[in-house]
Amino acid sequence: AQSVAQPEDQVNVAEGNPLTVKCTYSVSGNPYLFWYVQYPNRGLQFLLKYITGDNLVKGSYGFEAEFNKSQTSFHLKKPSALVSDSALYFCAVRDIGGAQKLVFGQGTRLTINP
Amino acid sequence: GAVVSQHPSWVICKSGTSVKIECRSLDFQATTMFWYRQFPKQSLMLMATSNEGSKATYEQGVEKDKFLINHASLTLSTLTVTSAHPEDSSFYICSARLQVRDGELFFGEGSRLTVL
Repeated sequence: AQSVAQPEDQVNVAEGNPLTVKCTYSVSGNPYLFWYVQYPNRGLQFLLKYITGDNLVKGSYGFEAEFNKSQTSFHLKKPSALVSDSALYFCAVRDIGGAQKLVFGQGTRLTINP
Repeated sequence: GAVVSQHPSWVICKSGTSVKIECRSLDFQATTMFWYRQFPKQSLMLMATSNEGSKATYEQGVEKDKFLINHASLTLSTLTVTSAHPEDSSFYICSARLQVRDGELFFGEGSRLTVL
């Protein structure tokens, strides 16, 4: 079965510093990978996805993610963190099969300190 | 962009009553919608896949008689929590698949259910 893992429950970064939120995946076949962000008591907002093509994917709000096949990773990055980036971040992989449902990682709480 | 509306955002009910949550795709048709449940400080757990015009597909361990899902039209899916109990209190999130753009999923804002 397709799965993703987010090894860090929480990440703390000073405002203005680069941030990385880690994600590793385990899939059969080609991975379809996603990053979503969730603010308190809100639904999920799409940030970016990797389907095929360039390994560096650029997304919303200045975020990007690098697909690394050899390390089976899809880490989320941003060159300069903002306090408003503080939220819960989810990595997800599309499951194989007809419904193509998303399977989510455990989530990483990102806190940007002023 | 595609918008998914979920209603109500908050609901408080007494134990034993039933609660209906609606999920609407406002500007696109969604033949497939998904219902997730999220416990505090935890990830999203897929409950069921809702298919327009047919029965929902439930994930293992989810009681289909407890969580009734109806997908009567291409823009509306409903989740009814029947005979709710305090342990059903949770954050419920729906998502709808866009048929184009690699089937990207769009999520509703979620519905927080509190059962007293």
